Amino acid sequence: QKEVEQDPGPLSVPEGAIVSLNCTYSNSAFQYFMWYRQYSRKGPELLMYTYSSGNKEDGRFTAQVDKSSKYISLFIRDSQPSDSATYLCSYGYNFNKFYFGSGTKLNVKP
Amino acid sequence: DVKVTQSSRYLVKRTGEKVFLECVQDMDHENMFWYRQDPGLGLRLIYFSYDVKMKEKGDIPEGYSVSREKKERFSLILESASTNQTSMYLCASSSDRVNNQPQHFGDGTRLSIL
Repeated sequence: QKEVEQDPGPLSVPEGAIVSLNCTYSNSAFQYFMWYRQYSRKGPELLMYTYSSGNKEDGRFTAQVDKSSKYISLFIRDSQPSDSATYLCSYGYNFNKFYFGSGTKLNVKP
Repeated sequence: DVKVTQSSRYLVKRTGEKVFLECVQDMDHENMFWYRQDPGLGLRLIYFSYDVKMKEKGDIPEGYSVSREKKERFSLILESASTNQTSMYLCASSSDRVNNQPQHFGDGTRLSIL
C-alpha cells in the first residue's frame, strides 16, 4: 500500500467553480500536512500547512484534515485560470520524513 | 519569504561526466534535501543533510553523492552521469530539527544526460 494516495486527474473546471482536491494516507504517525502548487517546469510552492485536524483558511484556499479518517482536502473557491497547476499533498513526521502524493493536475477554463 | 535557489534551470551533460548541482537557501535553515521528480514516480528523496558536513541517504542514493560545507549550500554530485539520471532535480530546505516545519523548494534543475 502506498503511503499517500492522490487522484492524478486531470481535473477540468470552469472559472469560478469550487475545486476539491483530496488525498488519503495510511501512516497514523504523520504529524503535519502540506499542500503544494507546482506550475509546469517550476518547483513546488508551499500553499498551506497544518498540524491538526480541522480547517485552515488562507484567502481562497481551505485545507481540511481529518486524522481519524486519514484524509486531507484542499478547497479552492472562485477558481481562476491562474490556479491551473499540479497540486501535491504532502505529509511529514519528525523533521526529515516527508511523503508526497503523485499530484493532481488542475485545469481552470476561462 | 524563504528563497531556495538552484544554480541552473536547465543542464545538458554527456554520459560519464561528473555533474554538480548547486543549491543555496537564504533563511539559515538547518535541513536541506535533494529530490528527483519523474513522471509517474513522483518525488523521490536522494539525500538530505541536517547540519554542516552531516548527510544521510534517502531512498535512491545510488550514483549520487552530496556535499554540505556551509550551512546555506547543499550540492548534489553525479559521480559518472548516466542516461537514467535524466530528470528534474529539486532542492528543498526546512528550518530545524525541533519544530516540525514544512519544506520549501527551489525551482528545480532539469538535467538531460545524452
